[in-house]
Amino acid sequence: AQSVTQLGSHVSVSEGALVLLRCNYSSSVPPYLFWYVQYPNQGLQLLLKYTTGATLVKGINGFEAEFKKSETSFHLTKPSAHMSDAAEYFCAVSVKSGGYNKLIFGAGTRLAVHP
Amino acid sequence: KAGVTQTPRYLIKTRGQQVTLSCSPISGHRSVSWYQQTPGQGLQFLFEYFSETQRNKGNFPGRFSGRQFSNSRSEMNVSTLELGDSALYLCASSPGDAGNTIYFGEGSWLTVV
Repeated sequence: AQSVTQLGSHVSVSEGALVLLRCNYSSSVPPYLFWYVQYPNQGLQLLLKYTTGATLVKGINGFEAEFKKSETSFHLTKPSAHMSDAAEYFCAVSVKSGGYNKLIFGAGTRLAVHP
Repeated sequence: KAGVTQTPRYLIKTRGQQVTLSCSPISGHRSVSWYQQTPGQGLQFLFEYFSETQRNKGNFPGRFSGRQFSNSRSEMNVSTLELGDSALYLCASSPGDAGNTIYFGEGSWLTVV
C-alpha cells in the first residue's frame, strides 16, 4: 500500500530564505510523485511531478524537488521565498501499475512567509 | 484550453437532503476523479471514472455515488446528508494513464446545516 508523510504541518520562513518542505513516501512499486499547491479558497495546482528519468525535477514558480529512492523522499525546495509562496503544499503519490489514476496525499504543509 | 470546471462553487444544504455536484473535465480527458477535503481528514479519494465506468473507489459509504457521461462530464451525488459531509469537493481530470498529470478544479464548497 502507498502512503505519504509530510514532516511539519506548518513551516515559517523569512522572505528571501530557503524553503524546504519534506515528503517521504511508502510504495511497494516505483511511484509517481507530485507536489501540489493550494491557495486559499482555490483548488490544487500542480507544481511539479516525478515519473521516470532525471531525479531532480524543476517546477513552476522556482520550485524543484529531488527524488531519492534510497531515502524514499521527495522534498520540495525553493532557494528564495517570496511572500506570494504562502499557501498549503501537498505531496502525493500515484501508483504505476494497473493503469488507474488515484492520488494519495500527505496531510499538507502550510507555508508562511514573513517579511 | 479550458480547465476543470465545477458547479456549483458554494452551496448550503440541510441534514437529510441530497446534493449533486457537477464537473466538466478538460477537453480530451477521459478520467474524472473526485476528492473530499476536510480540515480533519485532509484530502481523501472518493472515486474515479474512466470512459463512463467506475474504475476505482475510495473508502466512503454508499451514500456517495457518481457517474460519468459519454462526453466525460461527471456528477457526484451525496444522499441523506450528514453534518460531517461538509467539505470542499474537488474534481480532477486527466487523460487516464498512471502517471499522467491530474488537473484539479476550483472545488465545490458544501456546507450541511
